[in-house]
Amino acid sequence: KQEVTQIPAALSVPEGENLVLNCSFTDSAIYNLQWFRQDPGKGLTSLLLIQSSQREQTSGRLNASLDKSSGRSTLYIAASQPGDSATYLCAVRVAAYKYIFGTGTRLKVLA
Amino acid sequence: EAQVTQNPRYLITVTGKKLTVTCSQNMNHEYMSWYRQDPGLGLRQIYYSMNVEVTDKGDVPEGYKVSRKEKRNFPLILESPSPNQTSLYFCASSLSGGGNQPQHFGDGTRLSIL
Repeated sequence: KQEVTQIPAALSVPEGENLVLNCSFTDSAIYNLQWFRQDPGKGLTSLLLIQSSQREQTSGRLNASLDKSSGRSTLYIAASQPGDSATYLCAVRVAAYKYIFGTGTRLKVLA
Repeated sequence: EAQVTQNPRYLITVTGKKLTVTCSQNMNHEYMSWYRQDPGLGLRQIYYSMNVEVTDKGDVPEGYKVSRKEKRNFPLILESPSPNQTSLYFCASSLSGGGNQPQHFGDGTRLSIL
């Protein structure tokens, strides 16, 4: 059964630092992996989606990589800002219509 | 504005009193899904719908019902709510669940069952 893990559960960094969030999954048979941001009291906002045939995706200061063989994805945030403070979730699509989510990393960027 | 709208946003109710959480999307998406989010467990899929009149169970369907009579709407029904269904619920949609399109989420519904 697919399991998705995100470590650490919480992270505090000073403003301006580059940081990496981790997502690991136990079964490499995935269709895609998606990174989301969740703000308190709000829904999830899609950040990046990496198809299983891709190695990385970039959007602005964000870069997500995917290594299916090792069951890992990373989300790199460059020059972090206080506005980046949120919970970051990864999710893998394991079948045509099924998704498995990690429990998230709560990020706090200190001004 | 493209969005997924859930109602109500907050609800406190009692055990056994039937309730419905509505979900509507204005993006003409085929795929819709319901999740619940609990501390330490992440988001878990309850039910999903591939298109009108086509639904299937996710990982935690017990105690829930859904219907998809129109493309834009996907209500979640709790026929006899129990305290273990107290949770934060999210509705999501995407153009096609079988492709590589991102999911779009509503703002969530916080249910408390006393």
